[in-house]
Amino acid sequence: LAKTTQPISMDSYEGQEVNITCSHNNIATNDYITWYQQFPSQGPRFIIQGYKTKVTNEVASLFIPADRKSSTLSLPRVSLSDTAVYYCLVGDIGNAGNMLTFGGGTRLMVKP
Amino acid sequence: GAGVSQTPSNKVTEKGKYVELRCDPISGHTALYWYRQSLGQGPEFLIYFQGTGAADDSGLPNDRFFAVRPEGSVSTLKIQRTERGDSAVYLCASSWGGSGNEQFFGPGTRLTVL
Repeated sequence: LAKTTQPISMDSYEGQEVNITCSHNNIATNDYITWYQQFPSQGPRFIIQGYKTKVTNEVASLFIPADRKSSTLSLPRVSLSDTAVYYCLVGDIGNAGNMLTFGGGTRLMVKP
Repeated sequence: GAGVSQTPSNKVTEKGKYVELRCDPISGHTALYWYRQSLGQGPEFLIYFQGTGAADDSGLPNDRFFAVRPEGSVSTLKIQRTERGDSAVYLCASSWGGSGNEQFFGPGTRLTVL
């Protein structure tokens, strides 16, 4: 199983760029990397998914180096409303497997 | 359009009782998932349905937990002889196709076992 490791918590200030790195040394060839965001008292919400290099959408960017043993979620110009828990998941999108293992996540606190 | 809905939003029961938690997925989503989440922890996978069948039930903690999805849409999570350790938020999610696709989560059911 591809296990993921993320920082437990991070602090930032409004307007800054935040980068959260996830380690997944045992990632398999068919595995994708997916990030979710969760606010208190809500279910997680999909942010972004990628396989290699860089993926960007209207919310975030995902950077994946060539060896794919880590990935970095980048949130540009965060606001107070980005305070949440962020989860990194790794798994084969065609297989239930460990794609469904959320781990502890990273608690991001954005300060004014 | 309507998202994933879960009922009830809160459930308080006594130790030893039976409970049912309901999930209405997004219309047309073939995959449905159940998770439970304890305070300060990430969601813990319980079971995954593809259509009417349980494609992966490896996360169910013991035989007191059971889930059904008889018509490939609504699902019910059933917990027998509840224990205080079952207290958690039970989350349901649905998606198109396989488990790695974007999952849309409901607001959860907070279960408290006294």
